[in-house]
Amino acid sequence: AQTVTQSQPEMSVQEAETVTLSCTYDTSENNYYLFWYKQPPSRQMILVIRQEAYKQQNATENRFSVNFQKAAKSFSLKISDSQLGDTAMYFCAFLNNNAGNMLTFGGGTRLMVKP
Amino acid sequence: KAGVTQTPRYLIKTRGQQVTLSCSPISGHRSVSWYQQTPGQGLQFLFEYFSETQRNKGNFPGRFSGRQFSNSRSEMNVSTLELGDSALYLCASSLAPGDYGYTFGSGTRLTVV
Repeated sequence: AQTVTQSQPEMSVQEAETVTLSCTYDTSENNYYLFWYKQPPSRQMILVIRQEAYKQQNATENRFSVNFQKAAKSFSLKISDSQLGDTAMYFCAFLNNNAGNMLTFGGGTRLMVKP
Repeated sequence: KAGVTQTPRYLIKTRGQQVTLSCSPISGHRSVSWYQQTPGQGLQFLFEYFSETQRNKGNFPGRFSGRQFSNSRSEMNVSTLELGDSALYLCASSLAPGDYGYTFGSGTRLTVV
């Protein structure tokens, strides 16, 4: 079974600064996907960024980028130029290609962006 | 296009009752998954449906069941409700299994009293 760990329950950052959220996972699989989701107070889970394990290049989506270290089983999210709208819960998630569409989530990190 | 629609948004039920939650996926999406979110257990996978067939089920008791209709809409049912069933129930849809472009709904907040 896979496990996903987010060691930072809460974080805060000043507007316009950069923040990094940590995520580690445990799996014996070689082919999998990793995701970061954002959950604002509206409750809807919004996909921030996705990384395929077979790709060595780190994924980037505008102000969001990841540092994917496959050997270390680490998948951190960097948010640059933080905005007030980035305030939300952030969840790291793992998906094993061979186990269907079943996401395994970490416990989440509550991010507060301060003006 | 319309997103994933979950109804109702809020629900209050009494212990021992049963409840049915509904999820309408994005048009054209045929795969629907359900998750339970609680402060204590976090986000946990419940089921996955595709073409009216359950493909995967999480580690939940038999009181939790679901189904998918021919138009890809899905329902989940919880019978003999317990206080611990109080949670946010999230539904996600994708084009098909193997397509990982999930879109989540805003969930149904179930409170059991």
